[in-house]
This record gives sequence, structure tokens and C-alpha cells, in this order.
Amino acid sequence: DVKVTQSSRYLVKRTGEKVFLECVQDMDHENMFWYRQDPGLGLRLIYFSYDVKMKEKGDIPEGYSVSREKKERFSLILESASTNQTSMYLCASSLQGGGEQYFGPGTRLTVT
Amino acid sequence: LAKTTQPISMDSYEGQEVNITCSHNNIATNDYITWYQQFPSQGPRFIIQGYKTKVTNEVASLFIPADRKSSTLSLPRVSLSDTAVYYCLVGDAPVSGGYNKLIFGAGTRLAVHP
Repeated sequence: DVKVTQSSRYLVKRTGEKVFLECVQDMDHENMFWYRQDPGLGLRLIYFSYDVKMKEKGDIPEGYSVSREKKERFSLILESASTNQTSMYLCASSLQGGGEQYFGPGTRLTVT
Repeated sequence: LAKTTQPISMDSYEGQEVNITCSHNNIATNDYITWYQQFPSQGPRFIIQGYKTKVTNEVASLFIPADRKSSTLSLPRVSLSDTAVYYCLVGDAPVSGGYNKLIFGAGTRLAVHP
């Protein structure tokens, strides 16, 4: 079974802090994704990566950056956390394309 | 920008067939349609994917008409454990360079009653 793990299930940070969310997958997948999930809005793509050191902006990249130094690890960085970034963050990976993705359990981030 | 539309919620009873429809009028030629299931405190789980006509696996069927502007996820004989949120996804990220799109619907909350 594909396993996607995220570094924290719950995280509380203060406004202005730099926040790192880590994601690791163990199936040698080429593609990795970061989403945020908000009530009534579904999942929205922040960034994805199709190879090591390669990244592409999704629909809502503002206020975020990513890093992929190794194939199995994809990090989401909030440069200066703001209260409107309070959300559930989901990481996913896929072998090909973006259809069949495998998701981690999510990190619920609260920015106060 | 492409948009997918799903019913907010549905109710059913154990043993019934449930059909959840997703509307995606602006689907592009190379877009796939994928459905996910999500339980509370978990990430979404892949159910089924299709491009056109009908696809069936051990848990669901996916019906896509010729114009591909909608799709219907069919769950046969649901049980209480099928109570979850179901999302449709339209699009397919490219393998290299240039974002295409991956558009999730807002989700349909299915409640299965005894």
C-alpha cells in the first residue's frame, strides 16, 4: 500500500511565523501535491511537483512556497503565516498525472 | 476557469443504489474524471477514474455521457460505512512543465441510514 505521511496532525502557530509542513511518500511516485481544504470549498491545489527540484504553481500559491530536494519528500512553507491560512493541509502523491492520487491524513493548521 | 458542481448532500438507506452526479461543463479534451471518498479526519481515498462511457470496479461504477459534461458515480447497495463525503475531480496534471488544472468539486456529503 502507498503510504503518505505528514509531519503533524495538528499545528498551532502565531501570525508572522514561518511554518514548515513536511510530507513523505514511500512509493517512489514522481508527482506530489499540496492542497488546502476549507468547508464548502473542497480541495484547492497550492503547488505540485513532477520531479525533484521541479515545481508548478497551482490555483492558490500566494503566501506559500515549496521545496522538493528528494523524490520522497515535499515540503510546504508558509513564509509568514496569517490567520487566513488557518486550514486543513493535505499532501498527495501519484505515479502518473493527477488523477489517481494518494493522500496523507492531513495537517490541521491554526494560525492565531 | 473550469468549475465542477456537485449536490451538497444526499441521503440514502442501507441496500439502496446511490448515484451522485458531477457537472463539469468546461471539461477539456485531455481531462480525466476521478472520484474520491473522504471520511472525517482522513485524507481523500481514490475510488474510480474514467475518460468516457462506463467504468466499473469492485466498489463503484462511473458513467460518463458522450459530451463528457457530467459524470455519475454509482454506489451499489450502500451500507452505513459508505457515509462519507464524495468528491469529483476533473483534470490531469502534466508530467512536466506548465500547470493544466486539477479542479475538485466542493463535495457531496452522503448519509446512509439504517
